[in-house]
Amino acid sequence: AQSVAQPEDQVNVAEGNPLTVKCTYSVSGNPYLFWYVQYPNRGLQFLLKYITGDNLVKGSYGFEAEFNKSQTSFHLKKPSALVSDSALYFCAVRDIRDDYKLSFGAGTTVTVRA
Amino acid sequence: KAGVTQTPRYLIKTRGQQVTLSCSPISGHRSVSWYQQTPGQGLQFLFEYFSETQRNKGNFPGRFSGRQFSNSRSEMNVSTLELGDSALYLCASSWAGDSYEQYFGPGTRLTVT
Repeated sequence: AQSVAQPEDQVNVAEGNPLTVKCTYSVSGNPYLFWYVQYPNRGLQFLLKYITGDNLVKGSYGFEAEFNKSQTSFHLKKPSALVSDSALYFCAVRDIRDDYKLSFGAGTTVTVRA
Repeated sequence: KAGVTQTPRYLIKTRGQQVTLSCSPISGHRSVSWYQQTPGQGLQFLFEYFSETQRNKGNFPGRFSGRQFSNSRSEMNVSTLELGDSALYLCASSWAGDSYEQYFGPGTRLTVT
């Protein structure tokens, strides 16, 4: 079974508008959740993580994510998107059922138009 | 601090050949993971090494193998290459433990003809 799902293949927003990239997870116990971003022809860059504590996590480049245990979600958000935020975004989860293997979602392509 | 480095960056091989890819983690990082990225399958986990021991393995055939050296540098080997092995192979390192984020290298683009 898929441990993490990103329901949207693509997200398109106008510059200056809020950006949300959705992620839901399915693991037993307390999840370790991560967001990464990949620019063309580059490796992945770490944005933020939730391990424990406050449900709202702040990360790099103005991004934040909210952990919602009841909805098993960890959506990535940015209040005001920039054209330079256009990239491929991955949600990932450590699954204790699978020996803490790090599983990645399929990715969501974000396009921010000027 | 230098980032994760991978060599070579690009590689073209013929079916049936074997290939070895190298990864140097960030200094002090003890965990190294390998991933295969393709347009059709996305990011797939190959294996993870921690202190020279394979800690986790993904669902890949035995043609894919890896190892980690005492200095934490890692290599992965693919034997008897198939066309479907064409992909971007990403290496990632982290300090230790499951709560730590991974830092990725730029990847090795392998093309099998």
